[in-house]
Amino acid sequence: EPEVTQTPSHQVTQMGQEVILRCVPISNHLYFYWYRQILGQKVEFLVSFYNNEISEKSEIFDDQFSVERPDGSNFTLKIRSTKLEDSAMYFCASGSASGRGETQYFGPGTRLLVL
Amino acid sequence: EDKVVQSPLSLVVHEGDTVTLNCSYEVTNFRSLLWYKQEKKAPTFLFMLTSSGIEKKSGRLSSILDKKELFSILNITATQTGDSAIYLCAESGGSNYKLTFGKGTLLTVNP
Repeated sequence: EPEVTQTPSHQVTQMGQEVILRCVPISNHLYFYWYRQILGQKVEFLVSFYNNEISEKSEIFDDQFSVERPDGSNFTLKIRSTKLEDSAMYFCASGSASGRGETQYFGPGTRLLVL
Repeated sequence: EDKVVQSPLSLVVHEGDTVTLNCSYEVTNFRSLLWYKQEKKAPTFLFMLTSSGIEKKSGRLSSILDKKELFSILNITATQTGDSAIYLCAESGGSNYKLTFGKGTLLTVNP
């Protein structure tokens, strides 16, 4: 069964450093997403990506964040200068919209710890 | 103000019990209502509901949507310890299908 994969599973970084989180969405999906979950809090939408461009982003997704789909399979989230409050679990998700609704499938997540 | 509200926030039951988890949502740009199970890491998909009154079933789990009253319920019958998890409800809305999650219900099933 196809699944979303993410690397690395854990990342520890120093404040101010850049990190790149990688995702391989399900191959025939058209919509790609990043969500994050701060420990003990709810899952929050960061950004959606469709047709090779950002289609929607949340207030959290400020200029420190960027996304790319550099080739036909990978989807990356870059945080340019990490802050302590960026520590969270980051989930990639992908879906194939069917008009009335869309099931999004989540990757296993990358746990980011900023020291 | 939260757009998706789940209740209860936590629930402890014994194996064999039946549980009902609740989710209410707002209607703005509503497309569908999704339920996920989150054990250790990633949310795993359970159901997607788009039409009112049509029950979806998968084994001991079932779910239904009421678009008039803006809520959904997730039922689990004959609970097992493996059902222990956080159950997340999410509203899919807008042109980009982004998910807005509730805080989840932490279900603990004791043997």
